Amino acid sequence: DAGVTQSPTHLIKTRGQQVTLRCSPKSGHDTVSWYQQALGQGPQFIFQYYEEEERQRGNFPDRFSGHQFPNYSSELNVNALLLGDSALYLCASSLGVREVRGYTFGSGTRLTVV
Amino acid sequence: AQKVTQAQTEISVVEKEDVTLDCVYETRDTTYYLFWYKQPPSGELVFLIRRNSFDEQNEISGRYSWNFQKSTSSFNFTITASQVVDSAVYFCALSEARETSGSRLTFGEGTQLTVNP
Repeated sequence: DAGVTQSPTHLIKTRGQQVTLRCSPKSGHDTVSWYQQALGQGPQFIFQYYEEEERQRGNFPDRFSGHQFPNYSSELNVNALLLGDSALYLCASSLGVREVRGYTFGSGTRLTVV
Repeated sequence: AQKVTQAQTEISVVEKEDVTLDCVYETRDTTYYLFWYKQPPSGELVFLIRRNSFDEQNEISGRYSWNFQKSTSSFNFTITASQVVDSAVYFCALSEARETSGSRLTFGEGTQLTVNP
């Protein structure tokens, strides 16, 4: 049973560029959440997608946007990259928007902005 | 606003010692969920336990045990007879329970546990 799959695993971008990160949820899950984890800190909630709609959003600027596809996979897009966007981006999937039990996390995408 | 505080940034112990990781939380909700996750160097967050705010029973799972005290807003995690494989960053997290608007995890800053042989 495949868990949460994220791609790519590592990425280096230049300040001002745009980036797209991808996430495939665990089989049977329909909700995807994205978190940003800066080095040495705890993960910070970016947003959650369910039924192809953004259901909740954390305190992140509009440069961060997302999308969920009919097969439940999701993309995280970041525009106008800043050095401070360098972080590990974690995707978590769950079943149902209220499901607070079954979060499954992927191994993340390590984004470095230079 | 919700907040989770893990006051211990780093803990170093010798194998077979017992170690307790502290977690204090703040929330205005009466219904909420508390979690502990383990993050090895690979980066993936590994689920360890979930408790809801109405269940204050302590729980033991093998070498792991959890002490939930609502009166002090604490949810501490103890590893008995620690092993080198326990070395990782441990996160405490809090989630509110909403009917339809989705849910999010609020994490603490994490505690880096190093178990030395």
